[in-house]
Amino acid sequence: ETGVTQSPTHLIKTRGQQVTLRCSSQSGHNTVSWYQQALGQGPQFIFQYYREEENGRGNFPPRFSGLQFPNYSSELNVNALELDDSALYLCASSLDRALLDEQYFGPGTRLTVT
Amino acid sequence: QKEVEQDPGPLSVPEGAIVSLNCTYSNSAFQYFMWYRQYSRKGPELLMYTYSSGNKEDGRFTAQVDKSSKYISLFIRDSQPSDSATYLCAMSEGGGFKTIFGAGTRLFVKA
Repeated sequence: ETGVTQSPTHLIKTRGQQVTLRCSSQSGHNTVSWYQQALGQGPQFIFQYYREEENGRGNFPPRFSGLQFPNYSSELNVNALELDDSALYLCASSLDRALLDEQYFGPGTRLTVT
Repeated sequence: QKEVEQDPGPLSVPEGAIVSLNCTYSNSAFQYFMWYRQYSRKGPELLMYTYSSGNKEDGRFTAQVDKSSKYISLFIRDSQPSDSATYLCAMSEGGGFKTIFGAGTRLFVKA
């Protein structure tokens, strides 16, 4: 186990709704990254938070937003859900944004949009 | 063209075989190269991490990076059924820049 937890495990939402996914990082890890993994694809970088500030963003629209809290937890919010948002959402935490060899993934939240 | 290309497989081998997994990439700025293993219904787990070109060995696993050819490989010796998983290559420019993943290769090791 990596010590990174995510909730919920599974979620079913309707197109147009909003969703909040949660991640709890390892204690002391000040960097969290969020990824979207569609079926049969590799994870795609959504954004990264470092010390509660967004530190980089992939090619995702503004309706994907996030928050990082001082207690090593974080959230991914997606507004106006679309069918293509159906995927496994992964968070990964690391001690520092530059320590790529110490990035630990959670088990993911599987989101289904109908 | 994708920044990172990886054959999705599936790749099926008998137990004990040597497995070769490969990725090509187009961004010459990539300096950090990783291999992750992902079991079904789990998050990716870091297997190997290499900076710049060269080889790195860890037990039954060897990672190779050839920056001149923009080609990376992962070799698994004496493969076991427990190695059956999806293997993802990943790359980054470093310094906190985003990590780019390949699509993953599904590996099946038959007992």
